[in-house]
Amino acid sequence: EPEVTQTPSHQVTQMGQEVILRCVPISNHLYFYWYRQILGQKVEFLVSFYNNEISEKSEIFDDQFSVERPDGSNFTLKIRSTKLEDSAMYFCASSLLAGGGTGELFFGEGSRLTVL
Amino acid sequence: GIQVEQSPPDLILQEGANSTLRCNFSDSVNNLQWFHQNPWGQLINLFYIPSGTKQNGRLSATTVATERYSLLYISSSQTTDSGVYFCAVPSLFGNEKLTFGTGTRLTIIP
Repeated sequence: EPEVTQTPSHQVTQMGQEVILRCVPISNHLYFYWYRQILGQKVEFLVSFYNNEISEKSEIFDDQFSVERPDGSNFTLKIRSTKLEDSAMYFCASSLLAGGGTGELFFGEGSRLTVL
Repeated sequence: GIQVEQSPPDLILQEGANSTLRCNFSDSVNNLQWFHQNPWGQLINLFYIPSGTKQNGRLSATTVATERYSLLYISSSQTTDSGVYFCAVPSLFGNEKLTFGTGTRLTIIP
């Protein structure tokens, strides 16, 4: 069964460092997402991406965050200068259709980011 | 935006017991998903169920969209069922962004 894969599964970084989280969405999917979950809290939407551009972003997704689809298979989340409060589990998701309208979102297993 | 509440927040059961988890949402939806977050933090898709009933092994789910709730049933619980169960719905009807509920933490005791 096709699945969304994420790397790394766990990353530890120093405050102020840049981090890139990588995702390979399901191959025929068209919509891509990043979500975040701070330990013990709800899963929160960060950003959605369609047709090579951001279609929606939350207020969490400020200037330190960026997303990119550098080739036909990868979808990346970059955090430019990490802060302690960026420590969280980051989930990538993809859907064939718009998730809220008609499509089912498929989530990766997550990348746990720890900022020291 | 839409509000999503889940109940109960915590549930502790003996292995073999059955359970019902509830998800209430404040507005009309055309998409609802249930997820299981295992103790390692991984999110596992359980059901995509905008309406009606679906079954997958010991798990089943029912969504009554007109009454704005969904139920997840787990029968003959096993210790591997432990974790947090989330429901998620679109933040606005037709919108692609999912809003997650508050979660139900299920602990199955051997």
